[in-house]
Amino acid sequence: GAVVSQHPSRVICKSGTSVKIECRSLDFQATTMFWYRQFPKKSLMLMATSNEGSKATYEQGVEKDKFLINHASLTLSTLTVTSAHPEDSSFYICSARDPGDGFTGELFFGEGSRLTVL
Amino acid sequence: AQKITQTQPGMFVQEKEAVTLDCTYDTSDPSYGLFWYKQPSSGEMIFLIYQGSYDQQNATEGRYSLNFQKARKSANLVISASQLGDSAMYFCAMREGAAGNKLTFGGGTRVLVKP
Repeated sequence: GAVVSQHPSRVICKSGTSVKIECRSLDFQATTMFWYRQFPKKSLMLMATSNEGSKATYEQGVEKDKFLINHASLTLSTLTVTSAHPEDSSFYICSARDPGDGFTGELFFGEGSRLTVL
Repeated sequence: AQKITQTQPGMFVQEKEAVTLDCTYDTSDPSYGLFWYKQPSSGEMIFLIYQGSYDQQNATEGRYSLNFQKARKSANLVISASQLGDSAMYFCAMREGAAGNKLTFGGGTRVLVKP
């Protein structure tokens, strides 16, 4: 089945630095990918929809200048957490769907990236 | 208003027994899909089962079945013959036709299978 891969799986950074997380669709082309954030013991909250070749669509309350999303190719979307602070520490997970599967196709998730900001 | 509600924050189940995880949803879109995902401690999201709003029969996938009651707007997950490896967080999610492919998740239910 379709696979979505994220990198890195874990990252620790100092406050004030920027961190980039990659999300790749390995065997299909994804014109749209989704970025979610999950706090410990909480549910997944959609942050933004990444659109290939155009600007990302952010959910209400998500700072677009803080969380930069780039979808430069049909298989790669990147999330950059700029000037990270400890409150940005979280589990970030992306998802994508193989458009060839039709409306009922499942959404595939990456392995997730755990960000810790010191 | 919550679009997806999972009222059970945590559950214990005896190994080899069945367990039902509750999920209710709220939408005015006639076209929608309901998903269940399993999230072990490693964090990955594992797809379990899907039910479309127009599907006439309840979805089944191995030991997983979805009790879809459209009029009640509920989509409960039944796990039969529980195994120790079933211990994890379980999330119910909905995709509304008008919203494209983004999912709205419930709060999750933590299941712990006892030997």
